[in-house]
Amino acid sequence: QVQLQESGPGLVKPSETLSLTCTVSSYSISSGYYWGWIRQPPGKGLEWIGSISHGGSTYYNPSLNSRVTISVDTSKNQFSLKLGSVTAADTAVYYCARQAGGYCGGDCYAYYFDYWGQGTLVTVSS
Amino acid sequence: QSVLTQPPSVSAAPGQKVTMSCSGSSSNIGKNYVSWYQQLPGAVPKLLIYDNNKRPSGIPDRFSGSKSGTSATLGITGLQTGDEADYYCGTWDSSLSVVVFGGGTKLTVL
Repeated sequence: QVQLQESGPGLVKPSETLSLTCTVSSYSISSGYYWGWIRQPPGKGLEWIGSISHGGSTYYNPSLNSRVTISVDTSKNQFSLKLGSVTAADTAVYYCARQAGGYCGGDCYAYYFDYWGQGTLVTVSS
Repeated sequence: QSVLTQPPSVSAAPGQKVTMSCSGSSSNIGKNYVSWYQQLPGAVPKLLIYDNNKRPSGIPDRFSGSKSGTSATLGITGLQTGDEADYYCGTWDSSLSVVVFGGGTKLTVL
């Protein structure tokens, strides 16, 4: 059973950088898949932040693109999220997840998240 | 406002069947596969359906998914009080180049 666990500060000051790490167990990131970050503001829905492949290829949500960096450390079986210039609007539960699926023919893509971390609440406040 | 539109809430009695919709466009649902997630109160989202209508191991066949055109539907039969949760649809949007989710539907089992 693949397990993911987020770690990082639960409180970040406005204008600073939010940094989180996801540690993966029972599966080697080097073996494949993309690995993603998703967040959920309190009482609201899910928002995809971005994903990274085991080889380091990344793609980000354009709405956050200029502030987001996702990196992978296969030696530690971890991947990380950095979100810069945070505001109160970035307060959310942040989940890491394994992204499965892929190209399904023609113009079709089938992306979904099959394993999720427990989530970590990050509050942006001074 | 979400790219995918879901009704805010649905309700049904125990033992009954319920369906909930997820409406999109030609650049997302119309072109790509849909997944569905169940989020029980205070819990982590859980994959229910992927590739429009496939169930991961361990998901009972009471849960089903379908897609037609630019809309997708999640069906749940034999409703149980334990099914009370928020349900989210998700897919890839080829125009925006982003994974998109619906705003979620809250299921109440009366």
